[in-house]
Amino acid sequence: GQQLNQSPQSMFIQEGEDVSMNCTSSSIFNTWLWYKQDPGEGPVLLIALYKAGELTSNGRLTAQFGITRKDSFLNISASIPSDVGIYFCAGSRNTGNQFYFGTGTSLTVIP
Amino acid sequence: NAGVTQTPKFQVLKTGQSMTLQCAQDMNHNSMYWYRQDPGMGLRLIYYSASEGTTDKGEVPNGYNVSRLNKREFSLRLESAAPSQTSVYFCASSESPSTDTQYFGPGTRLTVL
Repeated sequence: GQQLNQSPQSMFIQEGEDVSMNCTSSSIFNTWLWYKQDPGEGPVLLIALYKAGELTSNGRLTAQFGITRKDSFLNISASIPSDVGIYFCAGSRNTGNQFYFGTGTSLTVIP
Repeated sequence: NAGVTQTPKFQVLKTGQSMTLQCAQDMNHNSMYWYRQDPGMGLRLIYYSASEGTTDKGEVPNGYNVSRLNKREFSLRLESAAPSQTSVYFCASSESPSTDTQYFGPGTRLTVL
């Protein structure tokens, strides 16, 4: 099956720092999603991207749909303790098709 | 408005035992999904139901069966559990197959000994 590679696998940062993570695929996707998962909970959708080159923000979060359509990026500015969790990317080739999920980036924010 | 609920939250089975994981949503969504999450891997789709009365295989369907009981409920059955099925199982729902926003339940942590 299709696997998306996320990096880094884990991050330990100081509160207030900015965070960058990315997701790459061997296939072209037409939709990219970014989710956050808190411990013991299901993933929650943060941002959805639909067009190559698109840049979308949600508060302190900004995500970009890579121009090659094989990658996507998530940035978090001025991190806070509640940003702790696992961030997943997901990609879909066509509307209504199955989403493939990345391996996750675990974020720890040190107060 | 509870969203997506799953029962049980935790379960331990012996190899060969059977069980059914229950999922219900109260958002009047048409589509429902079952995923499994294993350490170091992303969520993988087991089965999905695009609408009431239909079910389709996802990426990893072997060893599982599903039933879309009605619009609200979508169950996942393990007929003869194997240790390889030890995982966290998530149910999700969306308005339609073409809607990207999937709402996830809290998960069921299953251990097969």
